[in-house]
Amino acid sequence: GDSVTQMEGPVTLSEEAFLTINCTYTATGYPSLFWYVQYPGEGLQLLLKATKADDKGSNKGFEATYRKETTSFHLEKGSVQVSDSAVYFCALRDYGGSQGNLIFGKGTKLSVKP
Amino acid sequence: DTGVSQNPRHKITKRGQNVTFRCDPISEHNRLYWYRQTLGQGPEFLTYFQNEAQLEKSRLLSDRFSAERPKGSFSTLEIQRTEQGDSAMYLCASTLGARDEQFFGPGTRLTVL
Repeated sequence: GDSVTQMEGPVTLSEEAFLTINCTYTATGYPSLFWYVQYPGEGLQLLLKATKADDKGSNKGFEATYRKETTSFHLEKGSVQVSDSAVYFCALRDYGGSQGNLIFGKGTKLSVKP
Repeated sequence: DTGVSQNPRHKITKRGQNVTFRCDPISEHNRLYWYRQTLGQGPEFLTYFQNEAQLEKSRLLSDRFSAERPKGSFSTLEIQRTEQGDSAMYLCASTLGARDEQFFGPGTRLTVL
């Protein structure tokens, strides 16, 4: 079945460092890909998405490019801030079925130190 | 619009007791999803509704679990005869259609002693 694998954390960075969180997927169809973020004590929020190959999703300085050839959707940010400390989840939604549910990776906890 | 709300936010119960959680979706959203998130894992799909109809249930949803959405608005998730393995965060999400963004509630954290 469909699945998402993302790099395990925790990841600890200093402020203004470069961030990469790797995500790869397995899907039988043509999925849409997502990054969600969960700040402490809050619900999951959509950070960015891409719906087809070579699309780039971006938001709040974060970017991820849908790479069909490598089945990847790595999250990057050029300069992280303390406020970016959160858990990041990579997810896919495959339209082979009709239910539209999301399939998530295990999450990567990011801590940014001042 | 205040987003998706869930109640209670925390529930502690003893093994064998029944518990019920409530989810209030964004008012115009006709699709509602339940997910379960255990420690160190991503959310896993449990079930979803389109309006009042429950259209899909995951294999994770054992016979002790039941979900309803009686008028196509709020939804309840009941767990009967709770077990320690049921301890998790239960998340609700709503959306307009299968291809639209899902908006998540803050979750209900269940602890079974």
